[in-house]
Amino acid sequence: AQKITQTQPGMFVQEKEAVTLDCTYDTSDQSYGLFWYKQPSSGEMIFLIYQGSYDEQNATEGRYSLNFQKARKSANLVISASQLGDSAMYFCAMREVNNYGQNFVFGPGTRLSVLP
Amino acid sequence: NAGVTQTPKFRILKIGQSMTLQCTQDMNHNYMYWYRQDPGMGLKLIYYSVGAGITDKGEVPNGYNVSRSTTEDFPLRLELAAPSQTSVYFCASSYSGAEDNQPQHFGDGTRLSIL
Repeated sequence: AQKITQTQPGMFVQEKEAVTLDCTYDTSDQSYGLFWYKQPSSGEMIFLIYQGSYDEQNATEGRYSLNFQKARKSANLVISASQLGDSAMYFCAMREVNNYGQNFVFGPGTRLSVLP
Repeated sequence: NAGVTQTPKFRILKIGQSMTLQCTQDMNHNYMYWYRQDPGMGLKLIYYSVGAGITDKGEVPNGYNVSRSTTEDFPLRLELAAPSQTSVYFCASSYSGAEDNQPQHFGDGTRLSIL
């Protein structure tokens, strides 16, 4: 069963507008972490933002914020004031703990295109 | 600030050949990972290591082997290259400690083609 679901294969947004990228997750752990990464066309993976399962406030990092709804098991990424450089693939990931330690599970990604 | 270094960046192999993808990190991270990313897809975990001398299989380990003799290095070995192993390979590392907000740090990837 897929543990991270990103239902939007592709998204378009006008420059300077805000956009929300969806992420839902599945876990029975009480303690877990959620991460968002950006992958531009150059291929590198860039860490954007983190949300812990026990964090009561939504995480924010500059223009990035995370809309965390624990009961719904969703951790949507909000990008405000989109820029052309935001065009990239965005991956949601979850840290889970198993018998051997920790692991990271990635979603299939959303391709964001920012239009001028 | 080297972070996670992968070599080579690109490689073309013939079917049946073998090679080792190198990965080294200088952040003293205990966890290291190998992922593959097929075109237009997300990352799939091949192997991971929780520390020197300890490795375990991920989601797609068949056709690969790893070793972790030091904290810094985590090489990935392809023994008999097959066209299905054409992919971009990412090495990553992370620290697991009292704070659980530590993300993975990724290398720049190795683009591997099997012909």
